[in-house]
Amino acid sequence: QQQVRQSPQSLTVWEGETAILNCSYEDSTFDYFPWYWQFPRESPALLIAIRPVSNKKEDGRFTIFFNKREKKLSLHITDSQPGDSATYFCAAPLLSGSFNKLTFGAGTRLAVCP
Amino acid sequence: EAGVTQSPRYAVLQEGQAVSFWCDPISGHDTLYWYQQPRDQGPQLLVYFRDEAVIDNSQLPSDRFSAVRPKGTNSTLKIQSAKQGDTATYLCASRDNNERLFFGHGTKLSVL
Repeated sequence: QQQVRQSPQSLTVWEGETAILNCSYEDSTFDYFPWYWQFPRESPALLIAIRPVSNKKEDGRFTIFFNKREKKLSLHITDSQPGDSATYFCAAPLLSGSFNKLTFGAGTRLAVCP
Repeated sequence: EAGVTQSPRYAVLQEGQAVSFWCDPISGHDTLYWYQQPRDQGPQLLVYFRDEAVIDNSQLPSDRFSAVRPKGTNSTLKIQSAKQGDTATYLCASRDNNERLFFGHGTKLSVL
């Protein structure tokens, strides 16, 4: 089964540092790669997504870097805040027959210490 | 705009019992997904619909799970004979025309 892989499994940074979360995927024919975040006892919510006509998407302190040739993405969170503490899921539209189904990685649990 | 609505919020069963989960997607969203999220794992796709048609149910355990969306709006996911391994949160999501998924609060299922 095609997969989306994330690393590290968990990450702890100090407030103000940059957190880097990594993601890789297998075959996809559709260029749309979202990141979702999930706080305890809540459902995942869309954080930021990239449609790679370029290889970078920035939204405030959150930036996606995309390497299509290597099938890798990373999410950079600059000036990390305690409120960023959550689980981050990378997702990719993996090919399933003639359709693309959005497949999630196992997540990176980020803790930002004040 | 109302979000995705799911019910019930919680369910506790003994093994072998049946349970149904209900989802009302955001109005106008033609694509609906059911995901299973075990504790400390990512959402895992069970089935998804476009309107009333099943597009992919390859990860749905067909001997015990079933899902329908008869009018292309609300959807029901049913577990016929629950097992302890089914313990998870069941998430429904609908997708807009920009590929964004919106999740409901989920149903947290515990099978004892």
